[in-house]
Amino acid sequence: AQTVTQSQPEMSVQEAETVTLSCTYDTSESNYYLFWYKQPPSRQMILVIRQEAYKQQNATENRFSVNFQKAAKSFSLKISDSQLGDTAMYFCAFKGGSEKLVFGKGTKLTVNP
Amino acid sequence: DADVTQTPRNRITKTGKRIMLECSQTKGHDRMYWYRQDPGLGLRLIYYSFDVKDINKGEISDGYSVSRQAQAKFSLSLESAIPNQTALYFCATSDGQGAGNQPQHFGDGTRLSIL
Repeated sequence: AQTVTQSQPEMSVQEAETVTLSCTYDTSESNYYLFWYKQPPSRQMILVIRQEAYKQQNATENRFSVNFQKAAKSFSLKISDSQLGDTAMYFCAFKGGSEKLVFGKGTKLTVNP
Repeated sequence: DADVTQTPRNRITKTGKRIMLECSQTKGHDRMYWYRQDPGLGLRLIYYSFDVKDINKGEISDGYSVSRQAQAKFSLSLESAIPNQTALYFCATSDGQGAGNQPQHFGDGTRLSIL
């Protein structure tokens, strides 16, 4: 079974700075998809960014980018120019051939003014 | 209006009661999911359905049942609620006809407290 590990339960960053959230996963599959979801205090689950394993190019969405290292099974999220509205729980998720999402336990990010 | 609607938003009930959480969607997706979120544990899959006639157990299905009444509706039942089922419950949908990178779309969650 696939597992997703987020090794940082909590992180903090100053407004306007850059922060990187870590995610590693374990799978024997070669074709899969990876996602980062954001859960602000409003408790909604919001898709931040996604990556296909067969693509070598790292995905980017505005201030959010990933560092995808397939051999190392690592999928970190970088947030540039952090904003107060980025304060949230961030979940890394894996989807393989079973079509089910497997989530990590989350990282609580606080952006300080 | 929200694309994925969960009712109720919050619910407090007593041990032993039967509870139904409802989910409806206007996205036209064929796939629907129920998750449970507990602090420090992330989201765990309870049940999922890839179409109206297809229901599958997830990681933590014991104590729960589901019904897919229509493509747009997927309800979760707790037959006899117990306190350790206190959690935040999410419904999600996805498009099975799309590419594999199609994300799941989540409702706003139901916070359930069992006393």
